[in-house]
Amino acid sequence: DIQMTQSPSSLSASVGDRVTITCRASQAFGNWLAWYQQKPGGAPKSLIYGTSTLESGVPSRFSGSASGTDFSLTINNLQPEDFATYYCQQYNSFPPTFGGGTKVEIK
Amino acid sequence: EVQLLESGGDLIQPGPGGSLRLSCAASGFTFSTYAMTWVRQAPGKGLEWVSTISSSGDRTYYADSVKGRFTISRDNSKNTLYLQMSSLRVEDTALYHCAKDWLGSGAPIYYMDVWGKGTTVTVSS
Repeated sequence: DIQMTQSPSSLSASVGDRVTITCRASQAFGNWLAWYQQKPGGAPKSLIYGTSTLESGVPSRFSGSASGTDFSLTINNLQPEDFATYYCQQYNSFPPTFGGGTKVEIK
Repeated sequence: EVQLLESGGDLIQPGPGGSLRLSCAASGFTFSTYAMTWVRQAPGKGLEWVSTISSSGDRTYYADSVKGRFTISRDNSKNTLYLQMSSLRVEDTALYHCAKDWLGSGAPIYYMDVWGKGTTVTVSS
């Protein structure tokens, strides 16, 4: 199985900040990586697929990138509604696996 | 609007007699075209893929942790996904989400673009 190591597990930031969350894969694969946002009590919401393609309706302040086995989610100009937990997921190979999550909290 | 609504979660005792069936009612899309998945989330923990079924229901896939104990199925005439859970263990305690596969190709790609809020299963004596 491909292990996805996500970091940091939590971070504190202010409105307007830029934050970056990273997922490191245990082995190299293509671009089949997604990012999800989950708010307390809510369903996960898909943000990005294919490493860098934004889902319809997702603000352009969200972006995804990759470098080798490291995948990143960047949020520019952090907004109050962005405080949530974020998960990466690889769907390159079976079984699909998720990162442990990153909780973005208000500083 | 695409919606997934899970139900059937309950408090149940662990052991071979413990079984439960979860349901997920789908609306707003052509259910029979998409593979469907169950993902669970233990209290305070992250997401764990559990099981996926192809659009027609002829192929099923399971995590090792539930293989042989859980059965995924679907009724395309009722737009409903199911997860039959048996021989439940304390470690099966979680919020169970159903999710829709992104690509309507029949076979799953395991990227899920729509999720439900989940139904809670608590396994405890």
